[in-house]
Amino acid sequence: EAQVTQNPRYLITVTGKKLTVTCSQNMNHEYMSWYRQDPGLGLRQIYYSMNVEVTDKGDVPEGYKVSRKEKRNFPLILESPSPNQTSLYFCAIYGGMGYGYTFGSGTRLTVV
Amino acid sequence: LAKTTQPISMDSYEGQEVNITCSHNNIATNDYITWYQQFPSQGPRFIIQGYKTKVTNEVASLFIPADRKSSTLSLPRVSLSDTAVYYCLVGPRGKNYGQNFVFGPGTRLSVLP
Repeated sequence: EAQVTQNPRYLITVTGKKLTVTCSQNMNHEYMSWYRQDPGLGLRQIYYSMNVEVTDKGDVPEGYKVSRKEKRNFPLILESPSPNQTSLYFCAIYGGMGYGYTFGSGTRLTVV
Repeated sequence: LAKTTQPISMDSYEGQEVNITCSHNNIATNDYITWYQQFPSQGPRFIIQGYKTKVTNEVASLFIPADRKSSTLSLPRVSLSDTAVYYCLVGPRGKNYGQNFVFGPGTRLSVLP
């Protein structure tokens, strides 16, 4: 069974302090993605990756960076977090037909 | 990308069958229909996927008419624990098509005792 592990689950940080949210999968899926979810705005895609060293912007990439140096890991980097990046973040993999997306448990980030 | 339209919210009572319909008028020939369920503070969870006619698994059924311009997720005998947001997504099959799926606002189902 596909699993996506995100860390940390909860994080409170201050404006401007660089942080990384890690994401790893236990499968060998090529596609990985990051979403943020805010009340009333639904799930919005930040970045996605089609394979190692292949990443692309989603709908709301500003203020975020990602890297895909190996297939299993897809960290989300906030170089200089701001309060408007306070949100619930999800990492996901896509397994294709019959499996769809598998999401991580989420990371609740608060930037003060 | 096929645009989808679902009701924003629905109410039901325990033990009833719930049908949530999704419209996708511009669905493409190679598009599949997938439904997800999301509980508060959790990531969406895959429920069911289909291409045409009817698909059934242990938790739901998916009905797709011949023209495929809509689909209906059917939840038999709902319980309080089925209270969640349900998303209808339409897009092509294949492992590298994940970016084609857009999560809209979904349908907020409230199951009442």
